[in-house]
Formats: sequence, C-alpha cells, structure tokens
Amino acid sequence: QQPVQSPQAVILREGEDAVINCSSSKALYSVHWYRQKHGEAPVFLMILLKGGEQKGHEKISASFNEKKQQSSLYLTASQLSYSGTYFCGTETNSNSGYALNFGKGTSLLVTP
Amino acid sequence: DGGITQSPKYLFRKEGQNVTLSCEQNLNHDAMYWYRQDPGQGLRLIYYSQIVNDFQKGDIAEGYSVSREKKESFPLTVTSAQKNPTAFYLCASTGTGGTQPQHFGDGTRLSIL
Repeated sequence: QQPVQSPQAVILREGEDAVINCSSSKALYSVHWYRQKHGEAPVFLMILLKGGEQKGHEKISASFNEKKQQSSLYLTASQLSYSGTYFCGTETNSNSGYALNFGKGTSLLVTP
Repeated sequence: DGGITQSPKYLFRKEGQNVTLSCEQNLNHDAMYWYRQDPGQGLRLIYYSQIVNDFQKGDIAEGYSVSREKKESFPLTVTSAQKNPTAFYLCASTGTGGTQPQHFGDGTRLSIL
C-alpha cells in the first residue's frame, strides 16, 4: 500500500523548477505532502482531497488526479530553503483513524 | 505553545532490554500515531490510536507495544522481541472530524549498545 514516489533524488540550482510525483495502486481519498530536514520532524505542506483540486502555497503547489491515483508537487523558482526530503502520505477509502501510508521520500538539494 | 513533545531525544538499548519512548501532546487531538523511520524507507506506521483506551496495529507492530490511558499521552515500548530497533521514531497527532494534517514531534533516535 506504500505509494511510490519519483524521482528518488533531484539536485537543482537556485531558481530552477522541480516536480515530485506520488502514485498509488489503490483508490485515494486524500494526499498529504510533508518536507523533512535531516534529523528534524516532518513539516506539513498541504493536503489534497479527491476531486482533482490543485493547491498552492507560495511557490509550492500540488495537484491530485483521482482517476490516475496520482499527485504531483510542483516547486517553482526553488530556494535554498527548499532542500530536504519530501514525503507524500496517502489515505485510502479503506483506512481508518486517518492513518497515512507514506512514500519512501524524494531527496531534494538546491545549490547556489 | 501547543505541540508534541517526544523524549528522550537519544536512547540506547542493551540486549534483552525493554525501553519506552514518551510522546505527549497538548493540542487536544484525539488521534495519535507512532512511525519508524529508517534511511531510504520513509515513515512506516507502528501503532495508532483514535481514542483513549483504544489502539490499532500498523504495518510493523511486531516487537512494539503501546498504551493510551490519557488523551495527551501515547508511549511506545520497544520490547526485546524487536531484534532491529535502531531507527528514528516519530510520534504524530491529528484532530478528527475530517482529513487534517498530522503534527509531528521532534523524534527519538534509538540505538543498540
């Protein structure tokens, strides 16, 4: 049930754009995105609910394609502070207790 | 300031020893979770609890135990049956009543002596 994230790692120069994908083999109710700096707690970015909505948070936005059971996180004009590991967490209709299945993460490094 | 507090930050376990990781929240959240994080593996769910005195096993519950006697507290015991306990452990909580973000503690790093 673990969603699959791609790519595993990406290196950007400051100001470049990146896309991180999250795919599930099961029907999804919601997708959560988090960013984690090394040795720290994951920080919430956004939630997308089924319905194909797109959300934005400063220069970070995401989409959710319910039919394809996929979500994508878009980072535009990347900043040094965007470096970290990005995780998607998925909630399927069969889940209870709002427990999430997390992907293995995508490591993002933004260089000057 | 509301949040989740995990303690200790670092913990060492001897062979055959049980150790308990503390997780306390003052967010008035009903649901609490324990995750294990290994390099390159993401976060894997150990146990979760929706209400006091009730909890469910996650994907990797073997070798772990939990209790939920108070709404604010959800301690995790790593038993001697867990043969590979070295990992970063994260506690999280969330409000109920619809999909809401999970709030994480700062984690406990457990190592074997």
